[in-house]
Amino acid sequence: TQLLEQSPQFLSIQEGENLTVYCNSSSVFSSLQWYRQEPGEGPVLLVTVVTGGEVKKLKRLTFQFGDARKDSSLHITAAQTGDTGLYLCAGAKNTDKLIFGTGTRLQVFP
Amino acid sequence: DAGITQSPRHKVTETGTPVTLRCHQTENHRYMYWYRQDPGHGLRLIHYSYGVKDTDKGEVSDGYSVSRSKTEDFLLTLESATSSQTSVYFCAISDMGQGKAYGYTFGSGTRLTVV
Repeated sequence: TQLLEQSPQFLSIQEGENLTVYCNSSSVFSSLQWYRQEPGEGPVLLVTVVTGGEVKKLKRLTFQFGDARKDSSLHITAAQTGDTGLYLCAGAKNTDKLIFGTGTRLQVFP
Repeated sequence: DAGITQSPRHKVTETGTPVTLRCHQTENHRYMYWYRQDPGHGLRLIHYSYGVKDTDKGEVSDGYSVSRSKTEDFLLTLESATSSQTSVYFCAISDMGQGKAYGYTFGSGTRLTVV
């Protein structure tokens, strides 16, 4: 059972465009993380959000945790080709394990 | 980012043979995890460890076993490989449990093909 659904699954855009990726669940999470994965490599942690309503910014990336701690979004402003990759959200439910979303594959064309 | 290394990076093996993948960390982190990544399924937890000789099953543990005899090494064994175990395997480490405010550090993966 996949508890974390990401949308869209695939996104193909031109450089300079803005985009938003969503991570949704019916479950409450104690924290949520976003990772980016490039081909042939493991996922790399981008950010962790722990408080409902929290917003974090990492240069052109803005992450938000939903008020009810069931969902999150990742917004990229003025996408660059270097943003290309697989974006994964992952939620923690006060256990030793993270639950990963299905992923959003982003392709940014020059 | 060395801190965590997986070996081998690539392996081709025959159906029915045993296979062991190794994960080695130099961070002295307590928690270690084995995931497999397949198209359409994302990352799925196979087994994890919360200390030396302390391990537990994940959601897709059938056909896999693990061992952790020292903090730095976590081994994943496919007792008798099957074609359904063809996948990319990732090891991850974590400084604290519960993943609450601490992210995982992943290795670069092992691409396993069972023919």
